[in-house]
Parts: sequence; C-alpha cells; structure tokens
Amino acid sequence: GQQLNQSPQSMFIQEGEDVSMNCTSSSIFNTWLWYKQDPGEGPVLLIALYKAGELTSNGRLTAQFGITRKDSFLNISASIPSDVGIYFCAGLYNQGGKLIFGQGTELSVKP
Amino acid sequence: EAGVAQSPRYKIIEKRQSVAFWCNPISGHATLYWYQQILGQGPKLLIQFQNNGVVDDSQLPKDRFSAERLKGVDSTLKIQPAKLEDSAVYLCASSLWGGGEETQYFGPGTRLLVL
Repeated sequence: GQQLNQSPQSMFIQEGEDVSMNCTSSSIFNTWLWYKQDPGEGPVLLIALYKAGELTSNGRLTAQFGITRKDSFLNISASIPSDVGIYFCAGLYNQGGKLIFGQGTELSVKP
Repeated sequence: EAGVAQSPRYKIIEKRQSVAFWCNPISGHATLYWYQQILGQGPKLLIQFQNNGVVDDSQLPKDRFSAERLKGVDSTLKIQPAKLEDSAVYLCASSLWGGGEETQYFGPGTRLLVL
C-alpha cells in the first residue's frame, strides 16, 4: 500500500534556528498536507498543497509540493519554544480518498 | 465554534474486555473519521462515514472493531474483545462534506491502554 517516509524522526534545535523536514513516497499524491500535533491533542492542519511545484507559506512556515508529486518538505524559520511538537506529513491521492500519514518528526526547541 | 468532542479521554482495560469510545463532530459536518494512532506513528484511518453511511472501512479489523453513526451525527467505536496491540490513541475527525481537499478537524483523542 501507499507509505510515506518522513525524516528526520526527531530534531533538537536551539531557539532561533531554522528547521527543515521532508516526506517522500514511492507513490504519487495529488495533495500534500502538513499537520502539527501537541501532546495530548489531535493533529492540527498547518499547510495544504494542491499542485506540483507549489510553494506555500503560513507565517514562519513554508512548505513545497515536490515536482515529481512524490515528496514534500516543510521549513520553519526562526524557531520558538511553542514550535515544539510532532509534525506529520500526509498525502491524499484523490478527492474523497483516505489520508496517508508519515511517521512524524518530533521537534524539540531549547530556549 | 465548538470543536470535535471525544470521550473518555483515557481508558485502561484488561485484554479480552470490551471498550467503547464516543465522538461528537463539529456541527454540520457530514463526514466523520476514526483513526488509530499507535505510539510513534502517524494516524491510520479505521473507518470513514458520510452522514450515517460507511464510505471506507477497509482498514477496520472487523472481527473485533465496530463503529456506528446511527443518526448521522455522533459516532461510537467499539472494540470487543480488546488485545494488547490495540493500545493506542483513537482520534475522531470531521469535515464538512468529505472532499479530498477539505480540512479534517481532529478531536483530542482517547488514549487506550490494554493490560
């Protein structure tokens, strides 16, 4: 079945540093989504990407939909302590289809 | 606007016991999803409802898991009997009409520990 490989698995960074994480798949997706999950909560959508090559920003977050439709990356600039959490990529092949989630990248930010 | 509500938030049971989880989606959302999230993994879809009909239950272990959404609003997910490997967070999500480009809103989840 479809699988997403997300890396790195975890990151420990200093406040103010930039962060980059990515997601790759052996299958193509037509929609890429990035979620953040805080401890004890459900995932919250950060950015949605609908077209190959698309680059979208949401505040300090920037995400890109890979041109091959098999990958996506998320950048966080000037990290702050509240960026701590687990970031998930998710792919969707067609409308009404099910979301496939990556394994998550756990981000820790040291003040 | 109230978010997706789930209860209970935590549950500890012994293997072979039964357990049920409840979800109340965002008002007006036609589509409801149940996900299983095992520690260290991303959520995996168990079942998707469109109003009170099942759209996708291909990953639901039907020998022990069941779910219903009788009136097209609230939903319950049941496990009977539970196994150790069912220990996970069970997330409920809802969306307006279930289109692929739609945002799914997640509840806080129910944390299940099977001993």
